[in-house]
Formats: sequence, structure tokens, C-alpha cells
Amino acid sequence: DQQVKQNSPSLSVQEGRISILNCDYTNSMFDYFLWYKKYPAEGPTFLISISSIKDKNEDGRFTVFLNKSAKHLSLHIVPSQPGDSAVYFCAASVIRDDKIIFGKGTRLHILP
Amino acid sequence: ETGVTQTPRHLVMGMTNKKSLKCEQHLGHNAMYWYKQSAKKPLELMFVYNFKEQTENNSVPSRFSPECPNSSHLFLHLHTLQPEDSALYLCASSQGPGQAPNEQFFGPGTRLTVL
Repeated sequence: DQQVKQNSPSLSVQEGRISILNCDYTNSMFDYFLWYKKYPAEGPTFLISISSIKDKNEDGRFTVFLNKSAKHLSLHIVPSQPGDSAVYFCAASVIRDDKIIFGKGTRLHILP
Repeated sequence: ETGVTQTPRHLVMGMTNKKSLKCEQHLGHNAMYWYKQSAKKPLELMFVYNFKEQTENNSVPSRFSPECPNSSHLFLHLHTLQPEDSALYLCASSQGPGQAPNEQFFGPGTRLTVL
């Protein structure tokens, strides 16, 4: 049973527009959420995170929103750039634990 | 060297071979992890080490044998693998449980092909 779900395997967005990647989770014990970006033949790189005590965290073009009641988070990228084309992994953890649970990823294509 | 490094980057081995993957972290972290990434599957956690002690073995077959001699180094010893073990093997490190933020930092991975 997947605890972190990314239901869209892929997403295509026009350059300059907003990219919205979605993620759902089932475990209400999760208190820390992360987004990772992965290029082919490289390891995932940490992008942005959010604690469960917040509902929004912003870092430059990247904003993560958390809706705890819906057990849903999203990553907004605006404006989208060609270099944003990659696979994005949503992940969740319990801070006192030492495991991060990853979703299957969403492949984002930024179209020229 | 900075961050998390992994060697080799690519490995092709036969089913009867014995090989080892190496990971080194230069971040002063206390926890290290092995993950397996197969096509169209989520990242699968294999092993977790905290302060050199194994705290998680996620039902991994015994043909994969981890070793953590110190907090900076992690090995994955491979023997009598199967073709379905072909995947990208990723190492990661973090500050450890109970530490916030608990982001994991990943190495570039070893692309393993078992013939």
C-alpha cells in the first residue's frame, strides 16, 4: 500500500507558465514533507520542504502548499523554465524516524 | 570531494560475480541509506544505518550485504545477483532521526546491469 501517491506520471507545461505537481499521502503521522528533483543518470536533489505546522513554504520560483485536512501537497513552479524538465518526487517522513517515503514521481516536460 | 559520492558509476556483472558498491559522504551526517530505483517504481529503501548501526533492513534478499565501517562510508556487497536486480542503486545520507530538517542528500547512483 503506497503511503505517498503521485497520480500523474507525467505533465507537460509551456515555458513561462505555472507547473503544478500534486501529491497525496495516507499516513497522518507524517510531519515533514519534501520535494526532490531528478535528472537522468543523476541522484535526486533536494528542492524544498515543509513542516506540518505550516501550510506554505516559498523559495524563489518554487512554492510548496500543504493541506493537512486533505492529506495533500502540491509544488508550484512559476515561471517554468526549460531546465525544470525532470522527474519530481514527493516524499514524506516522521521527523523522529529515519525513513523518508517517496512517491513514484512525476515527469515534468517544459515545452518551448 | 563534497556531498555524497558513489563508485563505480556503472557496473556490469555476471550472476556468479562478487562486486561491491561504495558510498562516501562528506557532510558530517550520522545516517546513511541504500535505495534501489527500478524503472517505473518508487525509490525502494533497502538499508538504513544510524551511527554505524543498521536500523532498517527492508526485507532485502541476502545476496545484498551492506557494510558501514564508519559514519562516512557505506558499502553494498553483491553476490550471485539475478537479472531483475539490474537497477540504479542510490546512496543517501542525513543528519539522522529526530533531527530537523531531515532531508536526505543523494549520491549520483551506480547503474548496475546483471547479465
